[in-house]
This record gives sequence, C-alpha cells and structure tokens, in this order.
Amino acid sequence: DVKVTQSSRYLVKRTGEKVFLECVQDMDHENMFWYRQDPGLGLRLIYFSYDVKMKEKGDIPEGYSVSREKKERFSLILESASTNQTSMYLCASRPRGHYGYTFGSGTRLTVV
Amino acid sequence: AQTVTQSQPEMSVQEAETVTLSCTYDTSENNYYLFWYKQPPSRQMILVIRQEAYKQQNATENRFSVNFQKAAKSFSLKISDSQLGDTAMYFCAFRNSGNTPLVFGKGTRLSVIA
Repeated sequence: DVKVTQSSRYLVKRTGEKVFLECVQDMDHENMFWYRQDPGLGLRLIYFSYDVKMKEKGDIPEGYSVSREKKERFSLILESASTNQTSMYLCASRPRGHYGYTFGSGTRLTVV
Repeated sequence: AQTVTQSQPEMSVQEAETVTLSCTYDTSENNYYLFWYKQPPSRQMILVIRQEAYKQQNATENRFSVNFQKAAKSFSLKISDSQLGDTAMYFCAFRNSGNTPLVFGKGTRLSVIA
C-alpha cells in the first residue's frame, strides 16, 4: 500500500516559532499537496508541488512556505507561527496522470 | 475558479436506512473528475467513490452510489443500508483534467444512529 507519513500527529508550538511539518511518501509520486482543514471550512489548499524543487501557491499560501528538495518529501513551513494557524494540516500525494490521492493521517497543530 | 458546495452541514440517519448527501459544483470545463471522501474520527481520508465526467453511467461501490447530473452540475452520494461505521465527515471534491489539485466542499457530518 502507498503510504503518506506525516511526522507528527499532534504538535504544540509557541507564537513566533518557526514550524516545520514534514510529509513523506513512499511510492515515487510526482505530485504532493498541503491542505489545511478547519471546521465549517472544509479542506483548503495551501501549496502543492508537481515535482522536485517545484511549487505552486494554492488558495491560502499567506504565512506559509514549502520545500521539496527530494521527490518523496514535501515540507510545510510556518515562518512565524501565529494563533490563527492553529488547525489540522493534511498532506496528500498523487502520481502524474492519475486521479487518486493518498492522504496522510494529519497533523493537529496548536499555536499558543 | 472552481467551487464545490455541500449544503448540508450535518445529517443523521437510522441504521439500515438510506441517506443522500448533496453536492453541487461549478466549472466551465467539460472534462473533470468528481469524488466523495470519507473522514472518520481517525482523521484518515478515505476515497469512497469517484466519477469521470465523460462517463454517463453513475458510479457504484457496494452500498455507495452517486447520482451524477452533469447539466445540473450535481453529484449526490447515496448510502444504502447505513451502518454505524459510516458515521464520519463526508467531503465532495472536484478536479479538472490535467495536473490540477482537488477542490473540496466544506463537508457534511453524517451520524448513523442505532
């Protein structure tokens, strides 16, 4: 089975900290995605990447950046965490030309 | 921009009954894909069913089926013989053909009652 692994299930960080959320997939997928999930708002796309070193802004990129130095790893970076970034973060991957996403199990981030 | 609308924030159904979750979407494209995802309390997103827009036949997966109305841009999910394990958030999602990301609706929280 394809696996998408998010490094932390729960994370608590302080306001102003630099936060790294890591996502690793083991099936050589070209496409990787970061979504944010909030109650009543569904999943909103933050950033995505079509290949190594490539990145595209999604609908809500403000306050975030990403890094994709290796094909299997897609990192989401909160440059200076704020309380309004408290949320559930979901990573997903998909091979090129295929419509099926595989999701990680999410990281629930709390910024205090 | 593409949008996906789920008009029912919460629904409940008795065990063994049938329930239908609504979804509408907006796009100017002709080729696209539609999905229903389930997210149980474990938080793992699980693909329930998918539909290619060029296929007229409605997709079916065991107890799950869709009513795809392309002209109306409607994509509802019917769950037959509801089970307690169907209790979850359900998200409708849409993607254009090509290398484009999924766009999600806001979700419907379904509770199956014994």
